[in-house]
Amino acid sequence: ELKVEQNPLFLSMQEGKNYTIYCNYSTTSDRLYWYRQDPGKSLESLFVLLSNGAVKQEGRLMASLDTKARLSTLHITAAVHDLSATYFCAVIRGAQKLVFGQGTRLTINP
Amino acid sequence: DVKVTQSSRYLVKRTGEKVFLECVQDMDHENMFWYRQDPGLGLRLIYFSYDVKMKEKGDIPEGYSVSREKKERFSLILESASTNQTSMYLCASSPSSWGEDGYTFGSGTRLTVV
Repeated sequence: ELKVEQNPLFLSMQEGKNYTIYCNYSTTSDRLYWYRQDPGKSLESLFVLLSNGAVKQEGRLMASLDTKARLSTLHITAAVHDLSATYFCAVIRGAQKLVFGQGTRLTINP
Repeated sequence: DVKVTQSSRYLVKRTGEKVFLECVQDMDHENMFWYRQDPGLGLRLIYFSYDVKMKEKGDIPEGYSVSREKKERFSLILESASTNQTSMYLCASSPSSWGEDGYTFGSGTRLTVV
C-alpha cells in the first residue's frame, strides 16, 4: 500500500527565513506533485516532478525529487507572508490515482 | 474561466438524509475523482471514474455511492448521512492522456451533518 508522509505538519516561521518541507513515500513512483491550498480554497498545482533528480523552481519555492530515497523536498527561500498556506505532496498510484500526504500548514509571521 | 464546478460551497444536512454532491467539468476530461479532506489526514480517495457509466471504489467508499451518466458530471451520493461524514469534499478531473498538469480541482463543498 502506498503511503505518503509529510513533515512537519505545522510550521511557523519568520519572514526572511529559509525552510524545507519533506515528503516521503513508501513505494516506487515516477511522478510527484506539489499543491498549495489557501484557507477555504481549493488546491492549486505548483510543481510536477517526473524523474530522479528533477528540480523545479517558481519564485521563492523550489521542489526536488530523489526517487531512490523516495523523497521530495519543497524548499522555501526568504519566506514572505504571501506564502502562508497548506502544502500537499501527492504521488501517483496505479492508473492516474493520486495519493496525498497529510499536508503541511505553513504560517509565515512578519 | 471556471473549469471544475461544485454546485455548493456549504451544505448542512441532517443525520439520515440522502445527500447529493454535484461536480461538473468543462474540459472534456475522461477521469473524475471524489476526495474528502480532513485535518491531519490529507485527501482520501472515495470513488473515481475513468469513463461514463464507469466507477471504481477508492480507499474509503463505505457510506458513499457515485453516478456518472454524462462525461462532464460526476455525482457523489451519501445514502444516509452520518455525523462522521462531516468534511470537506473535493472533486477533481484529469485527461486520460496523463500530462504534466495532473488534476484540476473544484472549489470544494464543506458538508456539515447534524
